[in-house]
Amino acid sequence: NAGVTQTPKFQVLKTGQSMTLQCAQDMNHEYMSWYRQDPGMGLRLIHYSVGAGITDQGEVPNGYNVSRSTTEDFPLRLLSAAPSQTSVYFCASSSGTYDTQYFGPGTRLTVL
Amino acid sequence: TQLLEQSPQFLSIQEGENLTVYCNSSSVFSSLQWYRQEPGEGPVLLVTVVTGGEVKKLKRLTFQFGDARKDSSLHITAAQPGDTGLYLCAGAPQNRDDKIIFGKGTRLHILP
Repeated sequence: NAGVTQTPKFQVLKTGQSMTLQCAQDMNHEYMSWYRQDPGMGLRLIHYSVGAGITDQGEVPNGYNVSRSTTEDFPLRLLSAAPSQTSVYFCASSSGTYDTQYFGPGTRLTVL
Repeated sequence: TQLLEQSPQFLSIQEGENLTVYCNSSSVFSSLQWYRQEPGEGPVLLVTVVTGGEVKKLKRLTFQFGDARKDSSLHITAAQPGDTGLYLCAGAPQNRDDKIIFGKGTRLHILP
């Protein structure tokens, strides 16, 4: 039982490049979400999903896309990276909106 | 907009001392969670409090939910270096259409 896994652990991009952050969970959770964590800003919700085929925007969705084709996977796509997207990204899953959230180990992204 | 204010932002104390950190809001929450995050890892749930006035103990950690369900505190007795980390509170709004809200955290450093 691996819980929530994220890849890559670290990534450096140039402005304008695109990439996908991968997230997978093996707990059969319906609810998955993506957060970014910046110094002094706490965890901010980017996008979330309440089940396969259903996604919605969170607090800071601009510049990011998501899809949920399976229960297990919830990738986050950066369409055209900007320095403001330099952050640590966490994926989380839970059995319900307000239930315990299980976080992945994070991806540290730097955009030059 | 519902907010959770955590205080203090930073706390550095000697091993063996007691401490209390706070999570306050002007809004009522249906439940409140406390997470601890260690460097390079994702947050991990410590406890969920649901009932106003509820007190939960986890070894040397005591969590209390305010009577009005607007605030919570975490008290650590005889702090140890292993308690070092970022402590985050997260509130579940009464309106089930709203998303869980995270505070910005208290960064705790226990000096040996």
